[in-house]
Amino acid sequence: EIVLTQSPGTLSLSPGERATLSCRASQSVSSSYLAWYQQKPGQAPRLLIYGASSRATGIPDRFSGSGSGTDFTLTISRLEPEDFAVYYCQQYDNSPLWTFGQGTKVEIK
Amino acid sequence: QVQLVESGGGVVQPGGSLRLSCAASGFTFSSYGMHWVRQAPGKGLEWVAFIRYDGSNRYYADSVRGRFTISRDNSKNTLYLQMNSLRTEDTAVYYCTRVLYGDPFFGYWGQGTLVTVSS
Repeated sequence: EIVLTQSPGTLSLSPGERATLSCRASQSVSSSYLAWYQQKPGQAPRLLIYGASSRATGIPDRFSGSGSGTDFTLTISRLEPEDFAVYYCQQYDNSPLWTFGQGTKVEIK
Repeated sequence: QVQLVESGGGVVQPGGSLRLSCAASGFTFSSYGMHWVRQAPGKGLEWVAFIRYDGSNRYYADSVRGRFTISRDNSKNTLYLQMNSLRTEDTAVYYCTRVLYGDPFFGYWGQGTLVTVSS
């Protein structure tokens, strides 16, 4: 089973700053099968990025995804007030098995 | 637009059973694979089960295999999760999700339904 480890656990930043979130896999993951989700308190998660770097419909271009193999990154270029939330990475392997990272909380500094 | 509305959550004793439903609308339900994903209070996301668009294949997380059954009724645009032999660690919000296209991503989510397993 592939384990996804996200870092940092909490990121304290101010609006307008750049956020860089990391997702590291215990084994190589196909870039085609890596996604990122955003979850705000009391809400369901929302798909942000799929295929490691493709933005989902309606997602602002300040969100970008990159990476390959075992290291993936979600970047928020300039934090808006509505971006403070928890972010999860997710991968799929051909077992089939879908797994999530433990999440990174982006909080207001 | 895509809508997924879960129902059936509630409080149940350990060892009990519960059936969740998810009413889908705004898309051709019979064309898409569907998942259940859960989130324990204050914890992260855990994939629970997947069913192909036509119900031909079903897959489960190890934590629920043999106790939970995912099914669908394409004539009613409804997804189900039958949960038996419930344990306290099954306490969570259960989300119904649809694949984005024919891919392994959770493209659309319902609002979730809370299942509490407690004596």
